Amino acid sequence: QQQVKQSPQSLIVQKGGISIINCAYENTAFDYFPWYQQFPGKGPALLIAIRPDVSEKKEGRFTISFNKSAKQFSLHIMDSQPGDSATYFCAAQNTGNQFYFGTGTSLTVIP
Amino acid sequence: DTGVSQNPRHKITKRGQNVTFRCDPISEHNRLYWYRQTLGQGPEFLTYFQNEAQLEKSRLLSDRFSAERPKGSFSTLEIQRTEQGDSAMYLCASSAGDWFGAFFGQGTRLTVV
Repeated sequence: QQQVKQSPQSLIVQKGGISIINCAYENTAFDYFPWYQQFPGKGPALLIAIRPDVSEKKEGRFTISFNKSAKQFSLHIMDSQPGDSATYFCAAQNTGNQFYFGTGTSLTVIP
Repeated sequence: DTGVSQNPRHKITKRGQNVTFRCDPISEHNRLYWYRQTLGQGPEFLTYFQNEAQLEKSRLLSDRFSAERPKGSFSTLEIQRTEQGDSAMYLCASSAGDWFGAFFGQGTRLTVV
């Protein structure tokens, strides 16, 4: 059973556009939600993370929006650049335990 | 380099052989995770240590897999009697604690032929 459901599977965005990736979960015990960026042949890199006591967190061009009642969270990449082309994974954790990962979104930013 | 270090980066082995991977976490990170990732999929949890104690192990992990973290420092993951289905990227991550996130190494790519 997939603990974290991620969509879309792939995404193509024009340079300068906004990329939006969505995730949903069921386990209300989850209390930490990170996003990871992964380039081919590399390990996932922590991008940004949020706790459920806030509804939004912004770091540079990356923003997480969190809807606790809907059990959904999303990553927004503003002013998308070709260098952002990578696979993005959302994750969820019940602190002190393992991280559960989504299935990934392959983002392609077209120049 | 102060990141998570994994060795070797690549390993090709014949079916039935044993392999061992090493992970050196970020200094002073007390939590260490092993994940496995196949092409096009998200990381799949294998096991988790807090210091030297193995706190959680995936039910999907067969008895052929074992992990250790002596003295709460580096960790090793051993796969005995490898099978072709074990071919994957094995990822190690470390964390300083709750809400600090997990930092991954570059992974060890295992190919079983």
